[in-house]
Amino acid sequence: DTAVSQTPKYLVTQMGNDKSIKCEQNLGHDTMYWYKQDSKKFLKIMFSYNNKELIINETVPNRFSPKSPDKAHLNLHINSLELGDSAVYFCASSPPGTPDTQYFGPGTRLTVL
Amino acid sequence: AQSVTQLGSHVSVSEGALVLLRCNYSSSVPPYLFWYVQYPNQGLQLLLKYTSAATLVKGINGFEAEFKKSETSFHLTKPSAHMSDAAEYFCAVSDRGNTGKLIFGQGTTLQVKP
Repeated sequence: DTAVSQTPKYLVTQMGNDKSIKCEQNLGHDTMYWYKQDSKKFLKIMFSYNNKELIINETVPNRFSPKSPDKAHLNLHINSLELGDSAVYFCASSPPGTPDTQYFGPGTRLTVL
Repeated sequence: AQSVTQLGSHVSVSEGALVLLRCNYSSSVPPYLFWYVQYPNQGLQLLLKYTSAATLVKGINGFEAEFKKSETSFHLTKPSAHMSDAAEYFCAVSDRGNTGKLIFGQGTTLQVKP
């Protein structure tokens, strides 16, 4: 009965590779988010989607491309991975009417070697 | 632009002692304010939120926070710390828009000593 799930939990890869992180929520929420948490635990929003429509797109390199096949899923694809992409990536979702009450997934720790 | 500043990146208290985690905000519009907790190797969990109703907000696990406009503060307190409270705590602000954009502080690590 996991609310917001992410796969994989850990991802170790080489510079230059392309990788994807998947996120699914079974809460019936209509808005989903991707956050990046760096090594100093600073948390910053990257993207948000509402009913498959892009709402927030912060100043993120265009190597990062979110994809929302339906409102229960928001995947994050990263091209040409760089060392600086190493971080923990969190997916979150929020219910209709209260977008700032967000439910977070467990995170995906990405390590780029 | 909005921002939050958490005073003290690390706070250590004894079990049973008062917990006080400080957060000051900056916002050009009346803000919504939040406290989230992150336990080791987990995602963030909402503790409580202020949305312009009562200035004293009660949350889960015995935590509460008071919105003080004159001091632009939203400090988090708990009367008696428990070992299970050891975690990372984040204060956040939103502009009350419908985008859900949260601006987080840099976090405070709470250590609880036996």
